[in-house]
Amino acid sequence: GNSVTQMEGPVTLSEEAFLTINCTYTATGYPSLFWYVQYPGEGLQLLLKATKADDKGSNKGFEATYRKETTSFHLEKGSVQVSDSAVYFCALSIKAAGNKLTFGGGTRVLVKP
Amino acid sequence: ETGVTQSPTHLIKTRGQQVTLRCSSQSGHNTVSWYQQALGQGPQFIFQYYREEENGRGNFPPRFSGLQFPNYSSELNVNALELDDSALYLCASSLQGAPNEKLFFGSGTQLSVL
Repeated sequence: GNSVTQMEGPVTLSEEAFLTINCTYTATGYPSLFWYVQYPGEGLQLLLKATKADDKGSNKGFEATYRKETTSFHLEKGSVQVSDSAVYFCALSIKAAGNKLTFGGGTRVLVKP
Repeated sequence: ETGVTQSPTHLIKTRGQQVTLRCSSQSGHNTVSWYQQALGQGPQFIFQYYREEENGRGNFPPRFSGLQFPNYSSELNVNALELDDSALYLCASSLQGAPNEKLFFGSGTQLSVL
């Protein structure tokens, strides 16, 4: 079956620090990969995506590269802000399974001023 | 603001009761998916509705059921509530056939089962 594993949190950082959240996946087929963000009291928002190997998704200073050889999609940001404090979810979908998303367990990030 | 609204925002029930959660999809969207997010975990797919019929289901028992109405709004019904049903229930709307980037989530209903 399909599964996503991401590093457990919480991750606590100081403002302007470098952030990395590891994500690896197992999939039957060729998945599309996503990072979603959940701010307190809100629903999930798509942060970035990649649909094929070596694609790099980017948005709001965050980046992640689809690495088929290591089945990974690690999220990075060079300089975090307090406003980046949230829970981040790595997810995948298989085209044959429609829009069904398989999520990782989430990583809580806390950025301190 | 995604345009997907869920009600109620919070709900408390006791074990064995039944509950109905509601979702209004974003304008123009014809597909609704429901996810269960237990505390500290990622969301898990419950089922999807398209054209008022179930169009895919995750690993949830039959006491989880749903409806979609002609205006594409949706309900999630859970019978015989169990303590482990306590979770945030998320609704997501989309346009059938659109890529996943067009999936929009509501803010969820927080269900507590006592």
